[in-house]
Amino acid sequence: KNEVEQSPQNLTAQEGEFITINCSYSVGISALHWLQQHPGGGIVSLFMLSSGKKKHGRLIATINIQEKHSSLHITASHPRDSAVYICAVRTGTASKLTFGTGTRLQVTL
Amino acid sequence: DTGVSQDPRHKITKRGQNVTFRCDPISEHNRLYWYRQTLGQGPEFLTYFQNEAQLEKSRLLSDRFSAERPKGSFSTLEIQRTEQGDSAMYLCASSAGLAGVGPYNEQFFGPGTRLTVL
Repeated sequence: KNEVEQSPQNLTAQEGEFITINCSYSVGISALHWLQQHPGGGIVSLFMLSSGKKKHGRLIATINIQEKHSSLHITASHPRDSAVYICAVRTGTASKLTFGTGTRLQVTL
Repeated sequence: DTGVSQDPRHKITKRGQNVTFRCDPISEHNRLYWYRQTLGQGPEFLTYFQNEAQLEKSRLLSDRFSAERPKGSFSTLEIQRTEQGDSAMYLCASSAGLAGVGPYNEQFFGPGTRLTVL
């Protein structure tokens, strides 16, 4: 069992839909990251959080430390949101990130 | 551009050849990380440096792999005697590396080097 699991693995949505991507982890963490990866490989950090909720534009990330669960929400989805969204955790004082396998999102017109 | 840069972006090599990749982190970031990503998977940790010191290496980093960061700035990752299983995207990231969970621990990723071993 992976330390970080994401669901769904693939997601297709129509433009304007509200999207939720889930991340569950099995270890104690000091921080959780949501990352976006476009075709070609470049990874962009969307959020880093250790508690509560963060919002940036149409993106919202929440985390429940007790339940070891985080969600990434996209409101009013748009085709340009099509990408792979990856959840990653940092444990204790370790610097390295442990990644989920990603959720491939395709938003169609 | 003041982001993380990697060179080359693509490398095709024959099995058994040696390859070297370079990563230039964001200036003044003291932590530098190497990750490997195979198709359809999330990245996996390989190694990281704080300044010039290599502080942790993954078991994925076999003796054919070596990484250096000689002056605490850019880093190189060398793979000797490449195998087809080494084909992957090699990602570099850097962070300011201060203790705690503040924004200084956010990792900034480079565009990656895609390696294909024939």
